[in-house]
Amino acid sequence: QKEVEQDPGPLSVPEGAIVSLNCTYSNSAFQYFMWYRQYSRKGPELLMYTYSSGNKEDGRFTAQVDKSSKYISLFIRDSQPSDSATYLCAMSEMRANSKLTFGKGITLSVRP
Amino acid sequence: DGGITQSPKYLFRKEGQNVTLSCEQNLNHDAMYWYRQDPGQGLRLIYYSQIVNDFQKGDIAEGYSVSREKKESFPLTVTSAQKNPTAFYLCASSTRFSGGNQPQHFGDGTRLSIL
Repeated sequence: QKEVEQDPGPLSVPEGAIVSLNCTYSNSAFQYFMWYRQYSRKGPELLMYTYSSGNKEDGRFTAQVDKSSKYISLFIRDSQPSDSATYLCAMSEMRANSKLTFGKGITLSVRP
Repeated sequence: DGGITQSPKYLFRKEGQNVTLSCEQNLNHDAMYWYRQDPGQGLRLIYYSQIVNDFQKGDIAEGYSVSREKKESFPLTVTSAQKNPTAFYLCASSTRFSGGNQPQHFGDGTRLSIL
């Protein structure tokens, strides 16, 4: 089992839809969880960053962490065509020399 | 504006040739990273540097080399020993090397192809 699994997609939704993107992981030591957004031919940009369990909201975006199920989600409300991008989850342990482990990414397309 | 600059945007390599990818940051970050991104593979860590004059191998270092002579700069050389170099290369930095406690910020990448 890979350390981080992400739905491969691609995912296509109509404008205004609620989008749910998910990752599962196997390493119970992961404490920091991130979502990156990557537009075509660009580098990833940090979208959401959470520590341990719980929810975090930023505008139309909500990140959710369920450590008991080893499952994280990113919800996008009122999706817009400008949300069309690849979304990568990433996570790491708390220890000082822990590296980031990335999911493979899912490509989202929001149709006008 | 502070950020990470990667150059060139596109690079072509001939057989048997070494090529160097540039990465410069003006964020005053101590830690810098090189990743390789292939379709359907996610990001894989090539090398990282926690501080000037220090660097460590990542998960796929074979066929690559780096240097860290200045805090701002972390160039990556793709050597002729790397038999499958075609990929999108991403440079990142963080305040210090401390896992997720220090989120990483990325440049816009260099796409390397074989002639």
